[in-house]
Amino acid sequence: DAGITQSPRHKVTETGTPVTLRCHQTENHRYMYWYRQDPGHGLRLIHYSYGVKDTDKGEVSDGYSVSRSKTEDFLLTLESATSSQTSVYFCAISEPGLQLGDTQYFGPGTRLTVL
Amino acid sequence: GQSLEQPSEVTAVEGAIVQINCTYQTSGFYGLSWYQQHDGGAPTFLSYNALDGLEETGRFSSFLSRSDSYGYLLLQELQMKDSASYFCAVRDSAAGNKLTFGGGTRVLVKP
Repeated sequence: DAGITQSPRHKVTETGTPVTLRCHQTENHRYMYWYRQDPGHGLRLIHYSYGVKDTDKGEVSDGYSVSRSKTEDFLLTLESATSSQTSVYFCAISEPGLQLGDTQYFGPGTRLTVL
Repeated sequence: GQSLEQPSEVTAVEGAIVQINCTYQTSGFYGLSWYQQHDGGAPTFLSYNALDGLEETGRFSSFLSRSDSYGYLLLQELQMKDSASYFCAVRDSAAGNKLTFGGGTRVLVKP
């Protein structure tokens, strides 16, 4: 299994509070991604990173920011959490050219509930 | 942008064969991947097709027709442990290394 951890694994917070989720990898993969998963929507990309301090938006980036100061860590921040951000959040990593189809390896997920 | 369509749910019995279809629309198709996700778990990679034809990996096979913008995942000799959600995902040459996922097909295997 790829070495990807996410913290926290579960979090309950209140509307309007800031929340930061952490993804940590030990694989030295260049690309890192944050997805959210909601019933009926599959996996939707929030933000991704293609290197240290290099990030870009995905399809559902509003209300989220990211930072990547080290290869191994990718942080997702909800500046002011809303109930619509209640979801399961997955981090993924990939290394272009290393695996067929640039396979993405997923972390265990973080279940976030915003009350 | 990209869009993918796949059935929401399929039910079958142990030992049967299930085919999950995926149709896609994308501006610069690069490849089609399949991922499996058990309830409460993380998605895991199953297969990838960049060229037309069938790729076989054990009981699972994946097919691609680029001209038809269509692919499928074939699950053979179904086992109870195959009960999971299956997602197709496209890699678009215009979107870098990003994947766009379909909504997922929930496969329920009954005894």
